[in-house]
This record gives sequence, structure tokens and C-alpha cells, in this order.
Amino acid sequence: DAGVIQSPRHEVTEMGQEVTLRCKPISGHDYLFWYRQTMMRGLELLIYFNNNVPIDDSGMPEDRFSAKMPNASFSTLKIQPSEPRDSAVYFCASSLQDSPLHFGNGTRLTVT
Amino acid sequence: QKEVEQNSGPLSVPEGAIASLNCTYSDRGSQSFFWYRQYSGKSPELIMFIYSNGDKEDGRFTAQLNKASQYVSLLIRDSQPSDSATYLCAVNIGDSNYQLIWGAGTKLIIKP
Repeated sequence: DAGVIQSPRHEVTEMGQEVTLRCKPISGHDYLFWYRQTMMRGLELLIYFNNNVPIDDSGMPEDRFSAKMPNASFSTLKIQPSEPRDSAVYFCASSLQDSPLHFGNGTRLTVT
Repeated sequence: QKEVEQNSGPLSVPEGAIASLNCTYSDRGSQSFFWYRQYSGKSPELIMFIYSNGDKEDGRFTAQLNKASQYVSLLIRDSQPSDSATYLCAVNIGDSNYQLIWGAGTKLIIKP
């Protein structure tokens, strides 16, 4: 079991640039979650998918954020354009139905 | 506004003693309760989950749930320096098992 795989581990970009974060869930898991963690706000759920379909995106902060899950083994979170306040650690997590979450190692995003 | 409250700490406990971590939540409809451990710079990892009132034990860890008082706690027996981490409490909202509200975490320090 390779666990949830995220890439890149670190991303440094300039304000206004597009950022794409990637996630490969654990094979067989049918739920995928994108979280953001900051010191000020803690862990926040951005969006989650079930069987590749977005179920709840109410946590997505604004239209600059978008997420896709084209197949069961891949998801992306895109920020366009990025802003300094988007700097955070972004976690992807996956789970089976009614089971606890398994987190990836996260992507540390710094927007300058 | 649904909330999960944790004492931010740090909570300092001597090695070998019992560490007690507490969490209160506001949503009376919550049914699922999770404790995650997060080492600095790492991702959250599941320690325990509990769904029913009472105690649930797993090795050195015991989760305690009291729905009437709306609190959940985590006891760590025979604390080890490797238990030093931030412990996050997560609680589901309403009917969804996937919409979790997270506490800000309690930083635990085990002193040798």
C-alpha cells in the first residue's frame, strides 16, 4: 500500500501564477478530499469527491480555486491566479465509505 | 457556527505518566469522532476513532466519548517521548460522515 501520493512536496511561485497540485489516492478508496492547513485557521476541508464526482465544494474559498478528478486514481487542485494568502500546506486524503481518512504528505505552497 | 475546541497547550507530561487530551464540540448531531496525531512538518495520522458513548481502548491509547456532555478525550498511558506531537480532534457535522470539523490541536510534550 503506497498510501496517498501528492506532488509536488514544495511549490514556490509568484503572485498571479497558476499552481496545480496533484494527488493519487489509495487504490480502491472511493472518497477523495482536499484540505488546507494554516496556523491561523487549522485544517479546512476544501472539497471532496465520491467516485470521481464532486460532492461538496462549499469550502473552496473562491473562484480562483478549482478541483478535478478525471479518474479514480488522480485528482488536481488548481489555483489561478495565486495570491500570497493562499500560502499553506495542502493535503489530499482518501478513504473508503464510512472509514477514517488517510492523508498524503502534503504540498507546502508559498506564494510570494 | 459549529465548533470543535481543544486546549492548544503545550501540555507537558513526564515520561511514563498518563497524558489526557480533551476536546469539546458544539454539534449535538455529531456521530463520528476522531483523534489524529501530527508530527511537526508531517501529515495527520489516525490514532483512534469512536462512535459510541464510553471508552474504546487500543494499546496505550483510550478514547472516551460522552455525547451528553459533548466531549471526547484521548488518554495515552505510559507516555513516551515519541508521543510528543500535536493531537487533532475531528468531529463530523450532522448526517455527513465526510464533513469534518477539526480542532486546532493540542501540542503534547513528553519530558524524559
